[in-house]
Amino acid sequence: GAVVSQHPSRVICKSGTSVKIECRSLDFQATTMFWYRQFPKKSLMLMATSNEGSKATYEQGVEKDKFLINHASLTLSTLTVTSAHPEDSSFYICSARSNGTRKNQPQHFGDGTRLSIL
Amino acid sequence: GQQVMQIPQYQHVQEGEDFTTYCNSSTTLSNIQWYKQRPGGHPVFLIQLVKSGEVKKQKRLTFQFGEAKKNSSLHITATQTTDVGTYFCAVSNSGYALNFGKGTSLLVTP
Repeated sequence: GAVVSQHPSRVICKSGTSVKIECRSLDFQATTMFWYRQFPKKSLMLMATSNEGSKATYEQGVEKDKFLINHASLTLSTLTVTSAHPEDSSFYICSARSNGTRKNQPQHFGDGTRLSIL
Repeated sequence: GQQVMQIPQYQHVQEGEDFTTYCNSSTTLSNIQWYKQRPGGHPVFLIQLVKSGEVKKQKRLTFQFGEAKKNSSLHITATQTTDVGTYFCAVSNSGYALNFGKGTSLLVTP
């Protein structure tokens, strides 16, 4: 089945560091990928929609200059948390839809990245 | 986008007991999806419901979509310890991103 690879799985770094997270669709092309954030014992919240070859669409309240998204190819989207601070510590998860998928078909999730900022 | 309310937030059962989680919306839903997330893991797609009154079964799991397409439920018969996790309902918006319910965390005691 369709596989989405997310890397790294865990990051621990100092405050002020920028962290890049990669999301790859391994066996399908994805024009659109999604980035979610999940705080402990909370639900997944959509941060942004990543569109190949164009600017990402950010949800209300998500700072685009803080969370830089690049979707340079049909199989790779990256999320960079710039100058991360402890409040950015969270579980970040990407998902992707394969091109040509019928409406309402499921998305495929990466394994997530657990980010801890000290 | 379409939003869903999910209850209960937590459920603790003895192994062998049944479990049900509910999702409700004030508006008619085009579809609803169900996911399971194990502790420390990522959401895993379980099923999607699209049709009014739809009922689908996966072994001990039964999924229902209401006649008015405003509510859905996931029922697990005779829970097992492997059922532990958080169950989320989700609806996709026009851009195909998912709006998740708050989830129901299931704890099963042997």
